Amino acid sequence: NAGVMQNPRHLVRRRGQEARLRCSPMKGHSHVYWYRQLPEEGLKFMVYLQKENIIDESGMPKERFSAEFPKEGPSILRIQQVVRGDSAAYFCASSLSGTGDSRAFFGQGTRLTVV
Amino acid sequence: DQQVKQNSPSLSVQEGRISILNCDYTNSMFDYFLWYKKYPAEGPTFLISISSIKDKNEDGRFTVFLNKSAKHLSLHIVPSQPGDSAVYFCAARPSGNTPLVFGKGTRLSVIA
Repeated sequence: NAGVMQNPRHLVRRRGQEARLRCSPMKGHSHVYWYRQLPEEGLKFMVYLQKENIIDESGMPKERFSAEFPKEGPSILRIQQVVRGDSAAYFCASSLSGTGDSRAFFGQGTRLTVV
Repeated sequence: DQQVKQNSPSLSVQEGRISILNCDYTNSMFDYFLWYKKYPAEGPTFLISISSIKDKNEDGRFTVFLNKSAKHLSLHIVPSQPGDSAVYFCAARPSGNTPLVFGKGTRLSVIA
């Protein structure tokens, strides 16, 4: 399967714990985007990364959230000290380039539930 | 400030008829527009796109129209099929290394 792979598909965390969401982009794609979807809401942009660099993190909360896309391995979205309001579906997308009508291909998402 | 707006949260259409999904945007710097389709518990999948230098793009049953002066685009699906029932997201981006900006989506129900 050459698609965007996200794991885990479902993640349950207690308040105060850390959540780590992983995303392996499509083969050959070096641009990765993270989006969050709250219930009954659209897809909200969080962060845009290119290998080892954060290009745009304007949608990411300033505290508790961080993202990386190392030279080797998947992109990681980390949420520290989770709160109930972090419960959402988190989608990762990748694209060949970050410009033009370069399509973004999405993974299946990780559904985070904070209890 | 929502730059991409899909003002109809839901739409019901009879099978075989035309579905028209609308999208408005405020950022005049947007150069590319894409439509994604999303089924429950799945990620969005790309459907069709259009560049700002065009006013129409067609792919099988799907056609996207762009009216730059009105900052409006629409997705036409004809004929509509029950399998088209999903949430449709409009997305846009300016030129340059930028992420896609999404609307809130429109839930389409095609009734047999």
